[in-house]
Amino acid sequence: AQSVTQLGSHVSVSEGALVLLRCNYSSSVPPYLFWYVQYPNQGLQLLLKYTSAATLVKGINGFEAEFKKSETSFHLTKPSAHMSDAAEYFCAVSRGQGGSEKLVFGKGTKLTVNP
Amino acid sequence: DAGVIQSPRHEVTEMGQEVTLRCKPISGHDYLFWYRQTMMRGLELLIYFNNNVPIDDSGMPEDRFSAKMPNASFSTLKIQPSEPRDSAVYFCASSPYRELNTEAFFGQGTRLTVV
Repeated sequence: AQSVTQLGSHVSVSEGALVLLRCNYSSSVPPYLFWYVQYPNQGLQLLLKYTSAATLVKGINGFEAEFKKSETSFHLTKPSAHMSDAAEYFCAVSRGQGGSEKLVFGKGTKLTVNP
Repeated sequence: DAGVIQSPRHEVTEMGQEVTLRCKPISGHDYLFWYRQTMMRGLELLIYFNNNVPIDDSGMPEDRFSAKMPNASFSTLKIQPSEPRDSAVYFCASSPYRELNTEAFFGQGTRLTVV
């Protein structure tokens, strides 16, 4: 069955610093991978998704993620953090064995941006 | 489109009472998902529907939980009887089936507190 592991439940960076949120996946078939963001008291909003067309995926708000099959990773990055990036970020995978349509989420990483 | 609409946004109920959460998916979406979010367990998929038919309910924690989708524009998640450990934020999400890498769109969630 497919799964994702997010390393680090909390990440803290200074405003203007690089943001790196880690996600490793486990899937026996080529996965479809997603990053979602959740602002306080809100639902989840899609940041970006891996579609197999390109290994480097650009999303909204300056975020991007790189799919590395050899490392089974899909880490999320942003060159320069902004205060408004403070939120919780979730990596998700779909399509495991049997081609399941369901999305399985990681535990989430809460990003704090310090002034 | 108004997006996925959930009601109520907040629900406080006493232990033993029946609770019904409601969801209106985005028009034209074939898939509907119910998730539960807690600090301890993160985002858990409870059940999902395809064209109003339940496909996978393996995440439903107990028989006290039930979900229905009587038509393409409405779904309910019912807990009877409710218990304090059911306190969580419940999210509904919908997705159009185009390809397996199609993302899910989330509602704002219902925050349930059982006292």
